[in-house]
Amino acid sequence: AQSVAQPEDQVNVAEGNPLTVKCTYSVSGNPYLFWYVQYPNRGLQFLLKYITGDNLVKGSYGFEAEFNKSQTSFHLKKPSALVSDSALYFCAVRLLSGYSTLTFGKGTMLLVSP
Amino acid sequence: EAGVTQFPSHSVIEKGQTVTLRCDPISGHDNLYWYRRVMGKEIKFLLHFVKESKQDESGMPNNRFLAERTGGTYSTLKVQPAELEDSGVYFCASSPPRIITEAFFGQGTRLTVV
Repeated sequence: AQSVAQPEDQVNVAEGNPLTVKCTYSVSGNPYLFWYVQYPNRGLQFLLKYITGDNLVKGSYGFEAEFNKSQTSFHLKKPSALVSDSALYFCAVRLLSGYSTLTFGKGTMLLVSP
Repeated sequence: EAGVTQFPSHSVIEKGQTVTLRCDPISGHDNLYWYRRVMGKEIKFLLHFVKESKQDESGMPNNRFLAERTGGTYSTLKVQPAELEDSGVYFCASSPPRIITEAFFGQGTRLTVV
């Protein structure tokens, strides 16, 4: 069985400061990891993904995520937060092979204050 | 290129009524998924179509839910009769055939059963 944990319901950060949104996962096989973002009254928007290779992956809007196999983590980061980054962030995992469905975490609300 | 489109964006119905949600995937995407998010919880997998065939329907909560994808194009998800616990946001997603890639999500349908 697959599972994703996002331990923080909400993350608060001041504009210009670095941000981290945490994610850990469990999957029986090679993971295929994603971050999605949901802005108010919008659908889920793809941010970035990890398949193989470099553990640091870069995505849209200056976001990046670091894959750590030993800690089974895939934390989302950004060096300098913007107020417009305020949104709901979802981490997701699936198996790399076959018809594997996405398993999502419960989401973390990111609030960036001016 | 048009994205994944869902209709309606909002629906409020009374308990016991029937509601049909529609999803138009991105053209050429064989894979179509339905997910649901109940308030504050994880986004849960419901169903996966490959073209017109149901690849995996293990997430469908009960037989009040019926999904179809006639001709492998758009899909409908019918809830009959609706119950209070069916309230939530229903997301549809699609992805290309036989390619390891991210799924593209629609904006969701917010269903409220009163």
